[in-house]
Amino acid sequence: KAGVTQTPRYLIKTRGQQVTLSCSPISGHRSVSWYQQTPGQGLQFLFEYFSETQRNKGNFPGRFSGRQFSNSRSEMNVSTLELGDSALYLCASSSPSGHLITDTQYFGPGTRLTVL
Amino acid sequence: EDKVVQSPLSLVVHEGDTVTLNCSYEVTNFRSLLWYKQEKKAPTFLFMLTSSGIEKKSGRLSSILDKKELFSILNITATQTGDSAVYLCAVGVSGGSNYKLTFGKGTLLTVNP
Repeated sequence: KAGVTQTPRYLIKTRGQQVTLSCSPISGHRSVSWYQQTPGQGLQFLFEYFSETQRNKGNFPGRFSGRQFSNSRSEMNVSTLELGDSALYLCASSSPSGHLITDTQYFGPGTRLTVL
Repeated sequence: EDKVVQSPLSLVVHEGDTVTLNCSYEVTNFRSLLWYKQEKKAPTFLFMLTSSGIEKKSGRLSSILDKKELFSILNITATQTGDSAVYLCAVGVSGGSNYKLTFGKGTLLTVNP
């Protein structure tokens, strides 16, 4: 099976712009989670989608949003970019049993976002 | 606020050494503890622990959880240079319908030949 894929792999934006990142889960996986990783804060949970619905959400401002399509592909959007949004954004998919904590999460390679 | 603390932050050993990585946590509504290995980019799942005292093993790696003392350890025996990576500990917590993983900052392990 192909692994989790993320596009683009690298992105450079300026403050105030918005950005959309894409994640394609492993075939058959219905849960997609997004994480932000920075050297200072480590890996932080953004949100999780299952069957096109946001089930779980971390402590990030409303500028961070996402959605999931019927084929389980997910997008994450960040509006009004700030310098502090520079990070590696990782997505992870889980097997179709439905509950996040019982499923092994498989991570994609990440999108490196730099905000200038 | 939920907290996951890993120690040490970094560790340098020689091939063949045995290492123990620590993860302690203070969270409400604990559900599970997970260990990941991160080399270069994507974290790779290692173990998920939900019950105290039951050791999980995979080759030279093993892990155990103590829910009374609120910590977990990850052991790596006979280390190899390929074990060099950041090891991440995450705790799953739930509150109503909102579940999330809280990660520690990681332990950077360097194994020298």
